[in-house]
Amino acid sequence: DIQMTQSPSTLPASVGDRVTITCRASQSISSWLAWYQQQPGKAPKLLIHKASSLESGVPSRFSGSGSGTEFTLTINSLQPDDFATYYCQQYKTYATFGQGTKVEIK
Amino acid sequence: EVQLVQSGAEVKKPGESLKISCKGSGYSFTSYWIAWVRQMPGKGLEWMGIIYPGDSDTRYSPSFQGQVTVSADKSISTAYLQWSSLKASDTAMYYCARALVDRSMDPLGYWGQGTLVTVSS
Repeated sequence: DIQMTQSPSTLPASVGDRVTITCRASQSISSWLAWYQQQPGKAPKLLIHKASSLESGVPSRFSGSGSGTEFTLTINSLQPDDFATYYCQQYKTYATFGQGTKVEIK
Repeated sequence: EVQLVQSGAEVKKPGESLKISCKGSGYSFTSYWIAWVRQMPGKGLEWMGIIYPGDSDTRYSPSFQGQVTVSADKSISTAYLQWSSLKASDTAMYYCARALVDRSMDPLGYWGQGTLVTVSS
């Protein structure tokens, strides 16, 4: 199984901050990585796929980078709606999610 | 508009069987993989398994192989997740989700609203 490890688990931040979440794969997954946002009580929403491709309709303040085993999700100028939990997912071999990073109000 | 509409919340006893559903509309149901994802209370997302309704090709995460069955009825554009004997540890929210791109398993671009399954004696 390919394991995905996110850090940090919790990220205190303020509106306007630039935040970065890291995701590491236990083996190379090329660019087969997606990022999802989940608001409390709601289904996850796809933000980024193929490591850096922004899904249609997602604000440009979200960006993804990386390949191989190290990936990052960056949110520029954090907005109130961005306080949520973020998950990475590898889809090179079936699929596995990271454990999640909760972006909370500082 | 692509929509995935899941069946309603269930309360079951340990040992009972259950089948929950996910009806797709607004797209060609047979051309896109549909996955099931578990979220236990207060926990993260777990990919359980996936089905291609066009030919019923099904794959399971090793963690869920033998624990659940994924199926689909393309005549009514509906995918299913079923258990033969529920345990208390099956208590969770279950999401169905459709692949973003046809003929690819992931990523998951469209999600159902979730079905809450509670197993308690």
